[in-house]
Amino acid sequence: DSGVTQTPKHLITATGQRVTLRCSPRSGDLSVYWYQQSLDQGLQFLIQYYNGEERAKGNILERFSAQQFPDLHSELNLSSLELGDSALYFCASSQNLASETQYFGPGTRLLVL
Amino acid sequence: EDQVTQSPEALRLQEGESSSLNCSYTVSGLRGLFWYRQDPGKGPEFLFTLYSAGEEKEKERLKATLTKKESFLHITAPKPEDSATYLCAVPPKLIWGAGTKLIIKP
Repeated sequence: DSGVTQTPKHLITATGQRVTLRCSPRSGDLSVYWYQQSLDQGLQFLIQYYNGEERAKGNILERFSAQQFPDLHSELNLSSLELGDSALYFCASSQNLASETQYFGPGTRLLVL
Repeated sequence: EDQVTQSPEALRLQEGESSSLNCSYTVSGLRGLFWYRQDPGKGPEFLFTLYSAGEEKEKERLKATLTKKESFLHITAPKPEDSATYLCAVPPKLIWGAGTKLIIKP
């Protein structure tokens, strides 16, 4: 158990819909990262937050957005969902910067029908 | 362009047969290299962080090494439970390799 929690574990929705994925980092970690992993694909970095502020952006679509709240939990919002958005979404956390070890949550499996 | 390449894509070994996985990178301003293990449908599990060329780290049957252009993950006398996908990643741009799927047959 990494100490990073993600909810929900599974999510099934329809095209065009909007969903919110939630992540709670390990106690004491200030950075949160979001990743997308499609079937048999590598991890694609989406976005990083550090202590409530956006720190780095990867290949995140405009339909996707995220935020980190004062209690340090983070939410990833996916809107106007398409079939191709079906994937595993992972959250990771680290104490401070991206050069530090990241600890991953169990992921949310999103299926768009 | 910054890039991380892992090879081979897949590797099948017999139990006890040692081998190495490769992670090569072209990244400016290297600030370390991570190795992770990922089981199907689960989040990656941290194995090692290497920060400078020549550094080595070991954990059970795994040993990671780092040069200026690549890293190796050596697996000695593997067991079936070592079967997983092994990922490497390079900060600070958080570039991840596609992984090597390792299968150890009993």
